Amino acid sequence: GQQVMQIPQYQHVQEGEDFTTYCNSSTTLSNIQWYKQRPGGHPVFLIQLVKSGEVKKQKRLTFQFGEAKKNSSLHITATQTTDVGTYFCAGGGSQGNLIFGKGTKLSVKP
Amino acid sequence: DTAVSQTPKYLVTQMGNDKSIKCEQNLGHDTMYWYKQDSKKFLKIMFSYNNKELIINETVPNRFSPKSPDKAHLNLHINSLELGDSAVYFCASSQDQKTQYFGPGTRLLVL
Repeated sequence: GQQVMQIPQYQHVQEGEDFTTYCNSSTTLSNIQWYKQRPGGHPVFLIQLVKSGEVKKQKRLTFQFGEAKKNSSLHITATQTTDVGTYFCAGGGSQGNLIFGKGTKLSVKP
Repeated sequence: DTAVSQTPKYLVTQMGNDKSIKCEQNLGHDTMYWYKQDSKKFLKIMFSYNNKELIINETVPNRFSPKSPDKAHLNLHINSLELGDSAVYFCASSQDQKTQYFGPGTRLLVL
């Protein structure tokens, strides 16, 4: 079946450093969504990208959707301790379902 | 008002028992889901219901059975609980299979 691969699985950064997580699919995705799960919490929707090559920004977060609609990235500039959590990408599948990546767990050292 | 709610928040039970987890959404969404999140934080979809019809049923044991009395509720019943069932179970809902809104999760521990 369709899969969405996400790397890295873990990332430890010093506060103020940048962070990037990547998602890759073997098949074309109808859209890509990003979610954030704080420790002990539940996944919360961040953003959705639909168009090929789309780039969206939310303050220090930059989201990109690849030209072929098979990959995506989330980049955080100058991480803060509030960025701690697990970031999931989720790709829109051919059956209208959402396929979650395994997530990237970000820890930020103050 | 909580958009997606689950009960109970915590569930500790013995192996072999049968238990249910309830989920309700007040968003008017047409699709509801159940996910299992293991200790490595992997989110695995178990079921989804669209207008009371099962539209995704991943390879989960038949000890797990979703029950949807109406569009706003999707409950999860688990028979003969096993140690490996220990995990966090999330309910979620969406409209037209778009953005998913997750409940707070039910932390299940099987002893």
